[in-house]
Amino acid sequence: DIQLTQSPSFLSASVGDRVTITCRASQGINSYLAWYQQKPGKAPKLLISAASILQSGVPSRFSGFGSGTEFTLTISSLQPEDFATYYCQQLNSYLYPFGQGTKLEIK
Amino acid sequence: QVTLRESGPAVVKPTQTLTLTCTFSGFSLTTTGMRVSWIRQPPGRALEWLARIDWDDDKFYSPSLKTRLTISKDPSKNQVVLRMTYMDPLDTATYYCARMTSLGEFDPWGQGTLVTVSS
Repeated sequence: DIQLTQSPSFLSASVGDRVTITCRASQGINSYLAWYQQKPGKAPKLLISAASILQSGVPSRFSGFGSGTEFTLTISSLQPEDFATYYCQQLNSYLYPFGQGTKLEIK
Repeated sequence: QVTLRESGPAVVKPTQTLTLTCTFSGFSLTTTGMRVSWIRQPPGRALEWLARIDWDDDKFYSPSLKTRLTISKDPSKNQVVLRMTYMDPLDTATYYCARMTSLGEFDPWGQGTLVTVSS
């Protein structure tokens, strides 16, 4: 089974910072990766599909990049509403594994 | 607008069977390509995919939970039902249902329902 490993697990940053979260797959998965944002007590929200396709309504400060085994989610200028936990998820396997999550906290 | 909502018991006892219902609107599970999955999240932990059902009644399960899960659908009621047998305190989690896109993303999700397994 393919494993997804996110780094870092915790990230402390300030409003206006540029941050990058990495998701590494144990085997190549082409561009079959999605990113979700989850706020406390809420369901996850799809941000990016196919590694880099921004979903409708998601601010352009979010971007995704990568293919194969290494992927990144970048937030170009953190806003207060961006402090949340982010998950990556593999798409091309019916097992649909998730990464363990990256909690983005306010510094 | 697509919406999903989970319902079921908030507390179940160990060894009991959990039955959760996902009631959705804005799409039909009789439409070719439509799929619905269940995903769970233990408190403070990561997401875990559990099961999926397709428009043509194909069903897929997490290998680690396959023997305990049954997923079914009632398109006339716009509902998907998940049964999980032999509940254990380790199954305490928020259970979500979500529509799946053709690529396999989960979008959107229901609000989730917290199930606590305790005697």
